Amino acid sequence: EPEVTQTPSHQVTQMGQEVILRCVPISNHLYFYWYRQILGQKVEFLVSFYNNEISEKSEIFDDQFSVERPDGSNFTLKIRSTKLEDSAMYFCASRALAGQYNEQFFGPGTRLTVL
Amino acid sequence: EDQVTQSPEALRLQEGESSSLNCSYTVSGLRGLFWYRQDPGKGPEFLFTLYSAGEEKEKERLKATLTKKESFLHITAPKPEDSATYLCAVHPTPGNTGKLIFGQGTTLQVKP
Repeated sequence: EPEVTQTPSHQVTQMGQEVILRCVPISNHLYFYWYRQILGQKVEFLVSFYNNEISEKSEIFDDQFSVERPDGSNFTLKIRSTKLEDSAMYFCASRALAGQYNEQFFGPGTRLTVL
Repeated sequence: EDQVTQSPEALRLQEGESSSLNCSYTVSGLRGLFWYRQDPGKGPEFLFTLYSAGEEKEKERLKATLTKKESFLHITAPKPEDSATYLCAVHPTPGNTGKLIFGQGTTLQVKP
């Protein structure tokens, strides 16, 4: 069964450092997403990406964040200068072309710890 | 403001004791309501999509229903392996970017 994969599973970084979180969405999907979940809190939308551009972003997704689809399979989230409050689980998700059956499938997550 | 509220926050059941989880939502319009299961330290696992009031979906011991204001996830004769956090999310209108708004989840513990 196709699945979304994410690497690394756990990333530890120092405050102010840049991190890149990587995702491989399901191969025939066209919409890609990043969400985050701070420990004990709700899953929060960060950004959606379609046709090689951002289609929607939340207030959380400020200038420190960027996304890229560098090739036909990878989808990345970059945080330029990490802050302590960026510590969270980051989930990538993908879905097929818009339509009735538009459920999103999530990856296992990357746990980001900022020290 | 679009909002999703789940209750109860935590639920402890004995194996075989049926119950229901509630998801109340306030949105300008609804494209779809989704139920996910999340195990500790893992990503949400898709369970159901509901699109319109009156719709029902079933999978093994789980049944999801939808009204204009809320959704229920009914668990019939649960087993310990059903222990997890159950998340409700809505895909609101306008727009079709797929942005999901999640509730805080209900953590279910089923004791043998």
